[in-house]
Amino acid sequence: DAGITQSPRHKVTETGTPVTLRCHQTENHRYMYWYRQDPGHGLRLIHYSYGVKDTDKGEVSDGYSVSRSKTEDFLLTLESATSSQTSVYFCAISERDATDTQYFGPGTRLTVL
Amino acid sequence: GQNIDQPTEMTATEGAIVQINCTYQTSGFNGLFWYQQHAGEAPTFLSYNVLDGLEEKGRFSSFLSRSKGYSYLLLKELQMKDSASYLCAVRDQAAGNKLTFGGGTRVLVKP
Repeated sequence: DAGITQSPRHKVTETGTPVTLRCHQTENHRYMYWYRQDPGHGLRLIHYSYGVKDTDKGEVSDGYSVSRSKTEDFLLTLESATSSQTSVYFCAISERDATDTQYFGPGTRLTVL
Repeated sequence: GQNIDQPTEMTATEGAIVQINCTYQTSGFNGLFWYQQHAGEAPTFLSYNVLDGLEEKGRFSSFLSRSKGYSYLLLKELQMKDSASYLCAVRDQAAGNKLTFGGGTRVLVKP
């Protein structure tokens, strides 16, 4: 299994509060991704990173920001959480470029009340 | 954009065979992935097809027809532990090789 951890694994927060989710990898993979998974929608890409300080938007990026200051860490921030951001968030990594297979972390279940 | 369709749910009996279909429409097809996801867990990689034909990996096989925009995942000799969701994902070169996922097919294996 790819060495990917996510923290926290579960979080309950209130509307309007900031939230940061962390993805940490020990594989030294270049690409990292954040997805959300909701019933009826499948996995949807939020943001991705193709190197330190290099990030780009995905399909559902509104309301989210990301940062990558080190190869091993990719942070997802909800500046002001809303109930529509209640979801399961998965981080994924791929080795060299976007054509490589993506491997997923264990997920973070976020509930915004 | 892309459109990926797969059935929502399928039921099969232990020891039997189940075929999960996936159809897609994309402008720059560059590969199709199948992932398995048990409830409450992360998706795990099962198979990858980029050329037409059948890829076999033990009890699991995946088929691709690029001209028809069609793939299937075949699960043979079903076991109870195969009860999971199966996700079809298409990579689109026209979208920077990002993956687009279907909604997943939940397979329930009954004794």
